[in-house]
Amino acid sequence: GAVVSQHPSWVICKSGTSVKIECRSLDFQATTMFWYRQFPKQSLMLMATSNEGSKATYEQGVEKDKFLINHASLTLSTLTVTSAHPEDSSFYICSAREGAGTFALSQYFGPGTRLLVL
Amino acid sequence: GENVEQHPSTLSVQEGDSAVIKCTYSDSASNYFPWYKQELGKRPQLIIDIRSNVGEKKDQRIAVTLNKTAKHFSLHITETQPEDSAVYFCAASTSGGSYIPTFGRGTSLIVHP
Repeated sequence: GAVVSQHPSWVICKSGTSVKIECRSLDFQATTMFWYRQFPKQSLMLMATSNEGSKATYEQGVEKDKFLINHASLTLSTLTVTSAHPEDSSFYICSAREGAGTFALSQYFGPGTRLLVL
Repeated sequence: GENVEQHPSTLSVQEGDSAVIKCTYSDSASNYFPWYKQELGKRPQLIIDIRSNVGEKKDQRIAVTLNKTAKHFSLHITETQPEDSAVYFCAASTSGGSYIPTFGRGTSLIVHP
């Protein structure tokens, strides 16, 4: 149980294009989803937290107009990198959590999406 | 906000030895501490977690200890095996912060056969 899928697994695009990444919880309802960015040999950098039906909460320094997050249902969240540039190239990982209170605190991660902007 | 320090950044052990990874946190209100294992090119996976109302938790070869007074927690792996080789991340979170975890920088564990 607790499987999170992410699509696509990798994408190469030209500078200036937009890329959409999907994150789905396959066997549970995710009240909260998280989007992370991970650079090689570095830790997970939280970009934003989204709750179903609400606007995402972005971390300091993350441009909300650059990284559009939508959490339209309890099983799907999307991250759109708008007008991507080479510096946006990175490994993007989503995670999903079933609960919001003191129960079901575990996060389950997707397999990640490797983005390369040329 | 919360700050989590993790040491060492790299740990090399022989198969069968024990490995210990230590983390400290700054927010005394933190009360949930998960540990994740990330193998090369794969997703992080939760391997064990502990809440602030207990001092130790064990699951087969893996154990986590928590010292709330000193604000540090540790991951202990006994009888290490080559497949334990991975990057391990600790994290801390608090109910006041909606349990959004702050991650440590990770420890690359290498187990030599």
